[in-house]
Amino acid sequence: KAGVTQTPRYLIKTRGQQVTLSCSPISGHRSVSWYQQTPGQGLQFLFEYFSETQRNKGNFPGRFSGRQFSNSRSEMNVSTLELGDSALYLCASSDEEGGPYEQYFGPGTRLTVT
Amino acid sequence: AQTVTQSQPEMSVQEAETVTLSCTYDTSESDYYLFWYKQPPSRQMILVIRQEAYKQQNATENRFSVNFQKAAKSFSLKISDSQLGDAAMYFCAYRTQGAQKLVFGQGTRLTINP
Repeated sequence: KAGVTQTPRYLIKTRGQQVTLSCSPISGHRSVSWYQQTPGQGLQFLFEYFSETQRNKGNFPGRFSGRQFSNSRSEMNVSTLELGDSALYLCASSDEEGGPYEQYFGPGTRLTVT
Repeated sequence: AQTVTQSQPEMSVQEAETVTLSCTYDTSESDYYLFWYKQPPSRQMILVIRQEAYKQQNATENRFSVNFQKAAKSFSLKISDSQLGDAAMYFCAYRTQGAQKLVFGQGTRLTINP
């Protein structure tokens, strides 16, 4: 099976703009989670979607939002970008079929806000 | 709220030697999962090993093994016969049973000296 894919891989935006990142999970996986990785804050959970419904949400402002489509692909959107939003955004998928539901990560989208 | 602490920001080891990475966590729950993830430079995060809290036996995956001390809330990773390809950031992560949210430690950067 193909792994988790994320597009675009790199993105440069200006403060105040908005951005949409995309994640395609492993085929058959219905759970998609998003994480923000920065040198200062480390890896922080943004939200998780399962069957088009948000099941969990981290402690991020409302500028961060997401959605999931019927084919399990997910997008996250950040509006009114701030310099502090510069980060590596990781997507992970899970199949939730028995076991500890391990998450498989994508390569990430590197967002730079100038 | 659950927290994960990795007290060693950096570690180095000679090739072929053994190294142990430390991780402690805080939780009031009895059922949960613990993971070690590896993130090589500019490469995708991959799962190294996982441990179910209800299992007393320590998990082992080839050269990687854990020392899980539930009462002490400690979960260390031992890498035997270190190889150059083991150089990476290693993250300890916690997950509540039934939820997809991973709580990560700050990571340990492991360097392998030839």
